[in-house]
Amino acid sequence: LAKTTQPISMDSYEGQEVNITCSHNNIATNDYITWYQQFPSQGPRFIIQGYKTKVTNEVASLFIPADRKSSTLSLPRVSLSDTAVYYCLASNNAGNMLTFGGGTRLMVKP
Amino acid sequence: EPEVTQTPSHQVTQMGQEVILRCVPISNHLYFYWYRQILGQKVEFLVSFYNNEISEKSEIFDDQFSVERPDGSNFTLKIRSTKLEDSAMYFCASSGTSGYTDTQYFGPGTRLTVL
Repeated sequence: LAKTTQPISMDSYEGQEVNITCSHNNIATNDYITWYQQFPSQGPRFIIQGYKTKVTNEVASLFIPADRKSSTLSLPRVSLSDTAVYYCLASNNAGNMLTFGGGTRLMVKP
Repeated sequence: EPEVTQTPSHQVTQMGQEVILRCVPISNHLYFYWYRQILGQKVEFLVSFYNNEISEKSEIFDDQFSVERPDGSNFTLKIRSTKLEDSAMYFCASSGTSGYTDTQYFGPGTRLTVL
């Protein structure tokens, strides 16, 4: 599975849009990009998954350019409760292990 | 919305004791996983389970660990002769079969403290 690289931390303010970019230069053809959110002492929570172009759900948007070497998670109008660690992962076939990196620690300030 | 549940939420045990961590995956999911996270560190894969057998395991998952699906709903992780370094959050996850890649849904975790 492709190694992913993302910023260690980011700060934002309530109401702002936050974009977290993940680099995955060696992504394989059958890899999907999946983002998880984790609060302290809780399990990772699935946010969004995509393969190419743009995916949007009620929580976030995911932008993946044509070369798929990077992706951007966009959180619209963040609130204090969005303070968490966000993980970008490459995953493929069902049943395969997920490899978590250090994630991006997002701090939302009032 | 269906969710993965885990019990207990917190388990305290003495070094050398055996513990069993329990999970109820999302019904109709076929793949089950255990991960752990030592305080302040990354989430680490332990084992995956499919069709009543281990499909993949990490180096961490040695003879001290075992998994079982004793019935149609539970999925357990047994740790024999616990060590201090086994203290961590243990997360169960499950995934289904729809689509080419399946999203893994995680439970809330069991905090294991070994004294």
